[in-house]
Amino acid sequence: DTAVSQTPKYLVTQMGNDKSIKCEQNLGHDTMYWYKQDSKKFLKIMFSYNNKELIINETVPNRFSPKSPDKAHLNLHINSLELGDSAVYFCASSPGTEAFFGQGTRLTVV
Amino acid sequence: QKEVEQNSGPLSVPEGAIASLNCTYSDRGSQSFFWYRQYSGKSPELIMSIYSNGDKEDGRFTAQLNKASQYVSLLIRDSQPSDSATYLCAATFSGGYNKLIFGAGTRLAVHP
Repeated sequence: DTAVSQTPKYLVTQMGNDKSIKCEQNLGHDTMYWYKQDSKKFLKIMFSYNNKELIINETVPNRFSPKSPDKAHLNLHINSLELGDSAVYFCASSPGTEAFFGQGTRLTVV
Repeated sequence: QKEVEQNSGPLSVPEGAIASLNCTYSDRGSQSFFWYRQYSGKSPELIMSIYSNGDKEDGRFTAQLNKASQYVSLLIRDSQPSDSATYLCAATFSGGYNKLIFGAGTRLAVHP
């Protein structure tokens, strides 16, 4: 199936831990994004990569580090997790303007 | 600083009515506009895109764009209970690379 897929779907972890979320797209798009959706459902852009190059880096704590090994993959590593990091994280890919989303990763920090 | 604004709702309409969802954006340089539908616990799903002033129709959905007023709307005709969801307006912002920014979403409830 052509899609944007991210793993894991659910992630429960303790404060202070380090965790990673992986994303892969087989749509052939050059641009990939990470978005964070908080409890109020506001979808906020975090990062964007175009063909493995970081092009958008919003005001995100540097505990969040994206990495794109190739244009089909965009991973997100989070160090020293905090309670406020609890949210749903969406990966998306784009052929240029519109974005297509993965199923989301619900991160719960306890 | 909010860049795409929507009323959070909920907007409640009876089945069969027209639901009207509105959105304004701050960047006059924005060129591309989108409506996404998000069911609870699911990911946003693209339902409409619009790039030029006027109306664009797709089935029961009509998107309307007025760049002079920096206003985008979505009309859903013959609303069904299955249309109950949060509708997210999005716009690309100028500045070198397309930056897709979302509004906070409007929750639509269609009651039988």
